[in-house]
Amino acid sequence: GENVEQHPSTLSVQEGDSAVIKCTYSDSASNYFPWYKQELGKRPQLIIDIRSNVGEKKDQRIAVTLNKTAKHFSLHITETQPEDSAVYFCAASRDYGGSQGNLIFGKGTKLSVKP
Amino acid sequence: GAVVSQHPSWVICKSGTSVKIECRSLDFQATTMFWYRQFPKQSLMLMATSNEGSKATYEQGVEKDKFLINHASLTLSTLTVTSAHPEDSSFYICSARAPHTYEQYFGPGTRLTVT
Repeated sequence: GENVEQHPSTLSVQEGDSAVIKCTYSDSASNYFPWYKQELGKRPQLIIDIRSNVGEKKDQRIAVTLNKTAKHFSLHITETQPEDSAVYFCAASRDYGGSQGNLIFGKGTKLSVKP
Repeated sequence: GAVVSQHPSWVICKSGTSVKIECRSLDFQATTMFWYRQFPKQSLMLMATSNEGSKATYEQGVEKDKFLINHASLTLSTLTVTSAHPEDSSFYICSARAPHTYEQYFGPGTRLTVT
């Protein structure tokens, strides 16, 4: 089955700097890669996602890149702000039907942005 | 759009009793709903996948007779923790996915404490 590895487990940056979180996956058939942000005690929120037919996607200060050959994808946050502090999870799934639509999550990265 | 609610947000029950948690998609029809369990500072662990009108599919190691899942309508899935024990104390989160889409949207979670 699919296995998703996420690094680093913790990341501390200064306000205004960039943050990069990386994930690798094992199932070459995976074709959907979302990123979730979870603040303490709250629900995971979808912040950006990418499908396998796209190499990069950007939404304001957030971007995701995908390298299907190497089976890794990354989250890039530029101009970080204290409110970006949270735990970020990457995930992977293939298709959207039946059990193949299950998201497999990485272990999470705790991002701390110091003012 | 894509709002998922969960009720209750927290519950305390005595060992041996049962607890029901509801997950509702408020503004879309969810043919598939997922139930996760999250321990402190850990990732989301998929417990089961439920499709409207059919039996839930449980992940390996999850007892289907202990965690009863019902997905009776396109907007409601319920998780009943039967004969709860202190080790069942955890944060339970549901997510919902609309037909023919990839995105999963999460409920706010239910914190269960079994005394």
